[in-house]
Amino acid sequence: DQQVKQNSPSLSVQEGRISILNCDYTNSMFDYFLWYKKYPAEGPTFLISISSIKDKNEDGRFTVFLNKSAKHLSLHIVPSQPGDSAVYFCAASFSNNAGNMLTFGGGTRLMVKP
Amino acid sequence: AAGVIQSPRHLIKEKRETATLKCYPIPRHDTVYWYQQGPGQDPQFLISFYEKMQSDKGSIPDRFSAQQFSDYHSELNMSSLELGDSALYFCASSSGPGGDTQYFGPGTRLTVL
Repeated sequence: DQQVKQNSPSLSVQEGRISILNCDYTNSMFDYFLWYKKYPAEGPTFLISISSIKDKNEDGRFTVFLNKSAKHLSLHIVPSQPGDSAVYFCAASFSNNAGNMLTFGGGTRLMVKP
Repeated sequence: AAGVIQSPRHLIKEKRETATLKCYPIPRHDTVYWYQQGPGQDPQFLISFYEKMQSDKGSIPDRFSAQQFSDYHSELNMSSLELGDSALYFCASSSGPGGDTQYFGPGTRLTVL
């Protein structure tokens, strides 16, 4: 059973518009969430994270929202740029110990059209 | 800024051979993680080490073993390679106890023929 899901395999957005990527999780014990951007044959690049004690975290064009009651988080990119085109993974973890694994969603391919 | 270093970047092996992948974490990071990403799949956690002790274990085959050394670098040893082991292997590192961001290396692409 997949504990972290990204139900949209792909998303196409016009340059300058908002991109919204969604992620759902089932394990209520997860308390730390991250978004990574990935290009083919490269390692995931960290974008932004959020702890379960918060419901929003912002860093430049990237904002992550967390709705714990719905077990849902989303990544907003405003404004979207063609260079944002990549696969985006959400990931969840527990913060109680060092070395805790990340559980990844299946990824969403974002295409930003000029 | 220094990133996670993985070597080799590409590796081609025959079935039943052995392979060793190396990971050098970001300076002052004490925790390393290994992930495997098959074609069209999301990264799957294999194993992690904190302060040279195994911390968490995922779906790592018994044919694989790993360790973290005194300088915090880590090695993933893979024996009796199978065709299904062909994948991208990522190492990540973080600093301190849980909740810290994991920073990933560029990966090692292993091809088993």
